[in-house]
Amino acid sequence: GAVVSQHPSWVICKSGTSVKIECRSLDFQATTMFWYRQFPKQSLMLMATSNEGSKATYEQGVEKDKFLINHASLTLSTLTVTSAHPEDSSFYICSAGGTGPYEQYFGPGTRLTVT
Amino acid sequence: DAKTTQPTSMDCAEGRAANLPCNHSTISGNEYVYWYRQIHSQGPQYIIHGLKNNETNEMASLIITEDRKSSTLILPHATLRDTAVYYCIVESTGNQFYFGTGTSLTVIP
Repeated sequence: GAVVSQHPSWVICKSGTSVKIECRSLDFQATTMFWYRQFPKQSLMLMATSNEGSKATYEQGVEKDKFLINHASLTLSTLTVTSAHPEDSSFYICSAGGTGPYEQYFGPGTRLTVT
Repeated sequence: DAKTTQPTSMDCAEGRAANLPCNHSTISGNEYVYWYRQIHSQGPQYIIHGLKNNETNEMASLIITEDRKSSTLILPHATLRDTAVYYCIVESTGNQFYFGTGTSLTVIP
């Protein structure tokens, strides 16, 4: 089946620094990728939709200048959390859409802790 | 926003069928019903999806009411490894999933 990977699986960074999270579709091409954020004991919240070669579409309330998304190829999307603060500490999950209208495959998630 | 409502939590005895309900009274004609589950600190795992007809795969069965306003996910023989949060999602073709609160299923030995 389709596999989506994320790197790193966990990261600790200091407040004020930036951190990049990679999302890769390993065995299929994904024209669309999605980024979610999940706080402890809460559900997943869609942050943005990224399409290969175009600007990402952000959900209401998500700061596009803080969460930079790049989808430069059909197998890679990156999320950069800029000037991270402790409140950005969360579990970040990506997913990739396949060729069918109902295919979406999730990555294993990245645990970000900002100290 | 999520278009579904689910009970917050449920328990099920190991080996018995787990029936997880979901209400989606505002579902549109072209929207599918998806079920995913999330085991602690992992990404969501696809279980099953359907449009109008009941569906079955190796993991579960999905029963959708005739008016499509609700559905039930059935795990026929629950095991301890089925303990997870189960999410019911309705979506058309954009693949933008808006997750609700889900149902935390605990399988009891």
